[in-house]
Amino acid sequence: DAGVTQSPTHLIKTRGQQVTLRCSPKSGHDTVSWYQQALGQGPQFIFQYYEEEERQRGNFPDRFSGHQFPNYSSELNVNALLLGDSALYLCASRGQGNIQYFGAGTRLSVL
Amino acid sequence: QKEVEQNSGPLSVPEGAIASLNCTYSDRGSQSFFWYRQYSGKSPELIMFIYSNGDKEDGRFTAQLNKASQYVSLLIRDSQPSDSATYLCAVKEAGGTSYGKLTFGQGTILTVHP
Repeated sequence: DAGVTQSPTHLIKTRGQQVTLRCSPKSGHDTVSWYQQALGQGPQFIFQYYEEEERQRGNFPDRFSGHQFPNYSSELNVNALLLGDSALYLCASRGQGNIQYFGAGTRLSVL
Repeated sequence: QKEVEQNSGPLSVPEGAIASLNCTYSDRGSQSFFWYRQYSGKSPELIMFIYSNGDKEDGRFTAQLNKASQYVSLLIRDSQPSDSATYLCAVKEAGGTSYGKLTFGQGTILTVHP
C-alpha cells in the first residue's frame, strides 16, 4: 500500500518564477492538505482540497493556488516566487479519525 | 489567531531516561491532538494521537491530555539515541468549518545522549 507520494523531491527556482508541486494521497484517502514548513518552524496550513474543491484555506496569499483531480491527486502552484517561499512543502492525506499522513515533502529553494 | 506553543529546546536527556515534552493550545474547543516525530530533513511521522482527557499509552510513549488546562504532553520512557528528533505537537481546529486543519507548534528538539 503506497503512502502519500510527492514530486519532485527538490526544486530550485529564481524569484518571480512559478512552480507546481504534485501529490498523490494514500490509497482510499480523498482529502488532501498542503503545508509549508520553514526551517526551524512547525508546518503551516496552506489549504485543503476535497471533491476537487478548496474547502479551507490558511493565511497565505493568492499567489498560492491548488487543484485536485478526480483521482484525488493534487497540485500546489505558487506564482511570482519570493525568497521567503523557500521551504519544505508537505502534502498530507486524511484518514480515519482525522489522522493526517504526510508525504516526504518537496524542498523548494528560491534564489 | 489560534496558537500551539511548545518549548523549542533543545531538550537533552541521557539514554534510558524519561523525556517529557509539553504543549499548550489556545483553542478551548479543540478535541483532537497529535504528536509527530520529525527527523532532520524528513517529513513528520505520526507517533501518538489522543482525544480524551487522561493518559494514552503505546509502547514507550504516553500522551497526556488535560483539556481544562489546555495542555498536552508526551512522555518517552527508556529514551534511546534513535529518539533524537524534533517532536511536533498538532491540534485539530474545533468548529463546523474545520475539516481537519492542523495547527502545529514550532517543535521541541530532543537529543538523547549515550
